[in-house]
Amino acid sequence: SAVISQKPSRDICQRGTSLTIQCQVDSQVTMMFWYRQQPGQSLTLIATANQGSEATYESGFVIDKFPISRPNLTFSTLTVSNMSPEDSSIYLCSVEKDRGGDKDGYTFGSGTRLTVV
Amino acid sequence: AQSVAQPEDQVNVAEGNPLTVKCTYSVSGNPYLFWYVQYPNRGLQFLLKYITGDNLVKGSYGFEAEFNKSQTSFHLKKPSALVSDSALYFCAVRDLSTGGGNKLTFGTGTQLKVEL
Repeated sequence: SAVISQKPSRDICQRGTSLTIQCQVDSQVTMMFWYRQQPGQSLTLIATANQGSEATYESGFVIDKFPISRPNLTFSTLTVSNMSPEDSSIYLCSVEKDRGGDKDGYTFGSGTRLTVV
Repeated sequence: AQSVAQPEDQVNVAEGNPLTVKCTYSVSGNPYLFWYVQYPNRGLQFLLKYITGDNLVKGSYGFEAEFNKSQTSFHLKKPSALVSDSALYFCAVRDLSTGGGNKLTFGTGTQLKVEL
C-alpha cells in the first residue's frame, strides 16, 4: 500500500489565521482525498483532489474556506482559511491505490491535529 | 447515495471472549467495504476490506469480517479479544456502481473496550 507523509502533525493557531497542511505520497496516485474528523466524531470528506483540475468539494465545504492544491501526482495541500475555534479538528489526507488493476484499498495519513484558539 | 450505520457507540467485552462490532450499509450498486481502527492520537489503520469473493474476510491482528448481502451487513469479529484491541473502529463503504465515484463514506464509529 502507499505510504503517506502528512505535516504538520499538530498545530495551535490563532483565530483569523490560515494553516496549510501538506500530504506527500511515495507513489503516483490519481485521486487524493481530504477528510475532517471533529472531536469525538467520524470522518467527513471535505473534497477530492485530482491532478490538473480543481478539487471537487462535498456539500457544506467551499473552496474559499478550504482551498486545495494538487500540483502533481504525489502531492497535495489543504489550507484551512480564516480559522475559528469550530475548525479545531483532525484533518487527514487519503489515497486510493490500485495495484495491477486490483483495488488496493485506501491509505490514510497520520493526520493533522488542529487547535484554534 | 451510500451510507453506513454502526448501531453501537460502545462495545464492552472481557478479554478472551469473542467480540463483534456491527456494521450495516446501503449502496445502489455493489459495495466495497472496509474496517479501520483508530488508536488515541493516531491515524486510521486499515484492518480489512471486502470487494468480491469469499464472504468471510480475514484481516490484520486476528480480525475478520463477514459480508452478508441479504442483510447488507459487514460485522467485524474476533474470536478472542485482547485488552490491546481497545480502540475506535470505523466501518466504511464505497459504491462500486457507475457514477458512484471514489468517495468513501464512514460510519460514526464504535468504541471497543476490552477489560481484564
